[in-house]
Amino acid sequence: TQLLEQSPQFLSIQEGENLTVYCNSSSVFSSLQWYRQEPGEGPVLLVTVVTGGEVKKLKRLTFQFGDARKDSSLHITAAQPGDTGLYLCAGWALYGGATNKLIFGTGTLLAVQP
Amino acid sequence: DAGVTQSPTHLIKTRGQQVTLRCSPKSGHDTVSWYQQALGQGPQFIFQYYEEEERQRGNFPDRFSGHQFPNYSSELNVNALLLGDSALYLCASSFRGSPYEQYFGPGTRLTVT
Repeated sequence: TQLLEQSPQFLSIQEGENLTVYCNSSSVFSSLQWYRQEPGEGPVLLVTVVTGGEVKKLKRLTFQFGDARKDSSLHITAAQPGDTGLYLCAGWALYGGATNKLIFGTGTLLAVQP
Repeated sequence: DAGVTQSPTHLIKTRGQQVTLRCSPKSGHDTVSWYQQALGQGPQFIFQYYEEEERQRGNFPDRFSGHQFPNYSSELNVNALLLGDSALYLCASSFRGSPYEQYFGPGTRLTVT
């Protein structure tokens, strides 16, 4: 069974602070994605990382894929209240050698206080 | 361009009953996947439909079944509901040529009492 563990599970910070969310697994994934989910809505894709060691920046968000493609991190600089939400990492795992299925992490609930 | 839509938004059922949830994919998408998300947890993959057939399945019992119609819309059926089936059920659509780009609907909140 492929599992993705996220840490921390909950994070409450003040506006302007920096934070890092971690996503770890003992399994290798062909690619990894980060989503943000707000109450009453479905997850929204933020980024896809494919290559081991890859770093992608999206404004104040920086995503990194581990060299061995087993882990990832999300760093937010100068957090804003609008960043509040549930952050989910998700890995694409090979299924039957041809198709893939998406395995989600346990989630990190972020609250940014103004 | 409408995104992924799901109906109903909320649903309350009694243990032992059966339920059907519906999903219309984003325009241009031909693949539909269903996920179950318990409160405070990440979504878990139930199954995926393409060309009206179940292509992949997660670790869910046979009580969970689905269907895809020629217009690519899909239904999720759950029989003999258990209290533990209470969750947010998410539908995601994608195009077979771009399987990594899934778009999620807002979900159906199912409560089993």
